[in-house]
Order: sequence, then C-alpha cells, then structure tokens
Amino acid sequence: AQTVTQSQPEMSVQEAETVTLSCTYDTSESDYYLFWYKQPPSRQMILVIRQEAYKQQNATENRFSVNFQKAAKSFSLKISDSQLGDAAMYFCAYRRYMYSGGGADGLTFGKGTHLIIQP
Amino acid sequence: AAGVIQSPRHLIKEKRETATLKCYPIPRHDTVYWYQQGPGQDPQFLISFYEKMQSDKGSIPDRFSAQQFSDYHSELNMSSLELGDSALYFCASSLGARDKTEAFFGQGTRLTVV
Repeated sequence: AQTVTQSQPEMSVQEAETVTLSCTYDTSESDYYLFWYKQPPSRQMILVIRQEAYKQQNATENRFSVNFQKAAKSFSLKISDSQLGDAAMYFCAYRRYMYSGGGADGLTFGKGTHLIIQP
Repeated sequence: AAGVIQSPRHLIKEKRETATLKCYPIPRHDTVYWYQQGPGQDPQFLISFYEKMQSDKGSIPDRFSAQQFSDYHSELNMSSLELGDSALYFCASSLGARDKTEAFFGQGTRLTVV
C-alpha cells in the first residue's frame, strides 16, 4: 500500500518570503499522480497543484511550484511571495494511475503541515 | 460555477442512531468519492463510484454503506453510530474515467455523535 509522509507538522514564514513544504511517499507503482491540497479554516479542500509522475517537468501554478524527485520519491511544495491568505493546512496526496476501466482511486493523504504566515 | 453540494451541512445524532449524508456532484460529473476527516486528522478515503458502480473502496466500516443513483447523486448511509464517527465527511466529484481530471470537493457535512 502507498503511504504519504509530511514530516513538518507546522511551518512559519514571514509575509512575502518563500517557504518549502516537504512530502515523501512510498509506492511500488510507476505511474501515479501527486497533489497538494490547501485546507483553510473554512475546512474547504482546495487543489493547489498537481503533478503527473510521467512528467519530468515540475508543475507550476503562479506562486506555487513543486520539486518532484521521482527516484527519491519526494514532492515538495514551494510557495513564493507568501501572503496572509496562504495560511492553512497543506496536505500532500497520492493517487495511482488507472490504466483501464472507469472511475479513479481515492486519494491517500499525508498528515498535513500547518502553515502560519507572520505579518 | 456550480460546485459539489452536500447536505446537510451539520448533523447531530445520538449513539446507535442512523444518519444519511447526501452528495450532489458537479453537473456532468459521473464519479463520486467519500472521505472522512476526524478532528485534527487527514482525510481518509472511504469509497468511490463511477457510473453508479463502486469503483474503489477504502477504510469504510461495515456499518456504512453508500450508493450512486441514476442522476449521479450519492448517499452515504451510516448505521449504529459511534462517538468515533464524529467527523467532517467530504464528498468529491470528477468527470468520467479520465484519470487526469481533478476531483472537486464539497464543503463537507459535519457529523456530531453524542
């Protein structure tokens, strides 16, 4: 079974600075997807960024980018120019790729990192 | 844009009672997922459906059952409720068998068992 590990229960960063959240995972699959989700105090789960394992290029979404190291099974999230609205729980998640058939597997989440933005 | 609708938003039940949570996916989405998030915990995958058939099964207790109906909405039925079932229950939906499409989450149903 796959596992996702986030070793930083809490991180703090000054507004406008850059912060990196760590995530490692374990899987025997060669094709899969990795995600970062944000959960603000409202508890809404919001997709931040997605990475397909077969793509060597790191995904980027505005101020958010990832460092995907497939051999090391590492998937870190970098947030540049941190803003107060970035304060939230951040969950790293994994989903295996389905080669055929319908539907999709559920996500396996890490324990989360609580990100605090200092004004 | 339409989002995933979950009802009710809040629910209080007593131990050993039954609860039914409903999920209405985004229009045209035919895949539904259920997750359970306990206090201070990460979301745990329960079960998913594609085209009204069970697609994947996670850590769903035997006391829980779910189904997806012809209009693609889904219901999670929970019986013999226990205090430990108190959690935020998320439903998510995605479009078809295209694995690359992301799943959109609803706002959740907060279940409190007393």
